[in-house]
Amino acid sequence: GQNIDQPTEMTATEGAIVQINCTYQTSGFNGLFWYQQHAGEAPTFLSYNVLDGLEEKGRFSSFLSRSKGYSYLLLKELQMKDSASYLCAPMDSNYQLIWGAGTKLIIKP
Amino acid sequence: IAGITQAPTSQILAAGRRMTLRCTQDMRHNAMYWYRQDLGLGLRLIHYSNTAGTTGKGEVPDGYSVSRANTDDFPLTLASAVPSQTSVYFCASSDSPSGTYNEQFFGPGTRLTVL
Repeated sequence: GQNIDQPTEMTATEGAIVQINCTYQTSGFNGLFWYQQHAGEAPTFLSYNVLDGLEEKGRFSSFLSRSKGYSYLLLKELQMKDSASYLCAPMDSNYQLIWGAGTKLIIKP
Repeated sequence: IAGITQAPTSQILAAGRRMTLRCTQDMRHNAMYWYRQDLGLGLRLIHYSNTAGTTGKGEVPDGYSVSRANTDDFPLTLASAVPSQTSVYFCASSDSPSGTYNEQFFGPGTRLTVL
């Protein structure tokens, strides 16, 4: 079966760094997406990885290891507006996104 | 219209009633999707359409139907609503369902309550 595992909730301090991990098992693999979702709003795209390694985009970076079925999202210089849920979504062999339940990130001053 | 819109924003519906959720995009995307999102669960795909005139079933299609008469519109119909269909429904679109890049753009969602 297909399975996505990410922590339910994390807490971090404003200005700090946080790493949100995601492990996955899918039928085939065609890349992995990270989305951000603020409470009561729609998910919005953050990053896409298809090759192993780190992709950096401003304060956010995403890492992928296909052999380990593992990805993480790294958020630096945390701001209060980063309080949101972060959704890990690998793409399977049918090019369908398989969504994790998301990690709720709480930022404290 | 800019992007992807959904209507209504929210709805309270009596069990057994028929309901159509509307979704329109102006990005000329080929693929469109309907998801439901329930507390503690990931987004679950209900139905999808890779191009106008074609549709497919997702993970949880029972009780729902869709049509894709043109590129822009992708309505979702609940023929006879049941309380377990209480959820937040998101419509999404992407330029291509396959290939090296498949970023999905989401509508604002419809919050549906079935009593």
